[in-house]
Amino acid sequence: SQQGEEDPQALSIQEGENATMNCSYKTSINNLQWYRQNSGRGLVHLILIRSNEREKHSGRLRVTLDTSKKSSSLLITASRAADTASYFCAWEYYGNNRLAFGKGNQVVVIP
Amino acid sequence: DVKVTQSSRYLVKRTGEKVFLECVQDMDHENMFWYRQDPGLGLRLIYFSYDVKMKEKGDIPEGYSVSREKKERFSLILESASTNQTSMYLCASRAVSYNEQFFGPGTRLTVL
Repeated sequence: SQQGEEDPQALSIQEGENATMNCSYKTSINNLQWYRQNSGRGLVHLILIRSNEREKHSGRLRVTLDTSKKSSSLLITASRAADTASYFCAWEYYGNNRLAFGKGNQVVVIP
Repeated sequence: DVKVTQSSRYLVKRTGEKVFLECVQDMDHENMFWYRQDPGLGLRLIYFSYDVKMKEKGDIPEGYSVSREKKERFSLILESASTNQTSMYLCASRAVSYNEQFFGPGTRLTVL
């Protein structure tokens, strides 16, 4: 299986600050997705970027994709306490519908 | 909104028991997936199903089997539970026309 690395693994920030997390993968992809998981719950889809896109925005989220480096980053601007969660990147393998997930970043936003 | 439900939030079983984890989705999605989540390892794919009565092995199928007799239901079966199968199990579904997966709340299984 393909397991990416996200850097940093754990992040603690003050409310209002920006949070940035990175993800790397090892194969050709159709798209890359970011998911959020609140403590002990299921994952919720946040944003998807296709392999031919370089940047995408959704509300306070900004995701970038660099296919030459096989990496992506997720930026959360003006963080809120409710953003406290684990964030996972997942890439869809080129040619099939499977997702491979990274190990996740834990983000704690301090009020 | 898509809803994916799992039969139990918490489950405690004994070694050697046969365990059934049920997942139901209400949006007529073709694809369904079973993952397990362990600290430091992220999510790993156990089995998936492209459509009714179809199944494909994921990355860690050993010790598991699945059943998909109806489109909305995808069951994960632990034939003989072992302590190393203690984990969080997550079910997901996906429509063929969309890329995102919708997840259930998870079942935290403990095997004693």
